[in-house]
Amino acid sequence: NAGVTQTPKFQVLKTGQSMTLQCAQDMNHEYMSWYRQDPGMGLRLIHYSVGAGITDQGEVPNGYNVSRSTTEDFPLRLLSAAPSQTSVYFCASSSGADRQPQHFGDGTRLSIL
Amino acid sequence: LAKTTQPISMDSYEGQEVNITCSHNNIATNDYITWYQQFPSQGPRFIIQGYKTKVTNEVASLFIPADRKSSTLSLPRVSLSDTAVYYCLVGRPNAGNNRKLIWGLGTSLAVNP
Repeated sequence: NAGVTQTPKFQVLKTGQSMTLQCAQDMNHEYMSWYRQDPGMGLRLIHYSVGAGITDQGEVPNGYNVSRSTTEDFPLRLLSAAPSQTSVYFCASSSGADRQPQHFGDGTRLSIL
Repeated sequence: LAKTTQPISMDSYEGQEVNITCSHNNIATNDYITWYQQFPSQGPRFIIQGYKTKVTNEVASLFIPADRKSSTLSLPRVSLSDTAVYYCLVGRPNAGNNRKLIWGLGTSLAVNP
């Protein structure tokens, strides 16, 4: 059982480039979320989805887009990368049942030069 | 929104009991307290969740006083493999709005031989 799979694990971009971080889960979870983790700032929510076709903004959505065309996949798009987006990105999913915890992927470490 | 505060770091020795306290003075009536563990290069992993009094599972205990303004994660007889960052999360997971989940900044626990 793979759980939550994130690709790539590492990526280096130049300022202004765009890219998509992939996230897939095989647990048939309704809820999926994207977080970024920066030193001293903990986990901050970027975007989340409560089901296919439904997305909403989190705490720090600027510069990122998401879509949820299937239950399994929740890609995160950086439209025009900036050095401030250098971070570790985590995708998480949960069943949607009341109080059920989130399952996290192992992250994508992204550096913007 | 509730704000969570936890110590930045703690040190311990193998075999000792470790208690990590999280303060959440503005916790809402429907909020739960959830703790996650994170190892380097991995995503956070669920440890325990509670609403009030005491909850115990195979890896930890969670103590929540009657006023629920704080909670204490207790790790019995820690080993070197418990060296990790521990996050306190306040909110009601899967209540439809993940922006209301409030993450602490994490406590880095170092277990020494």
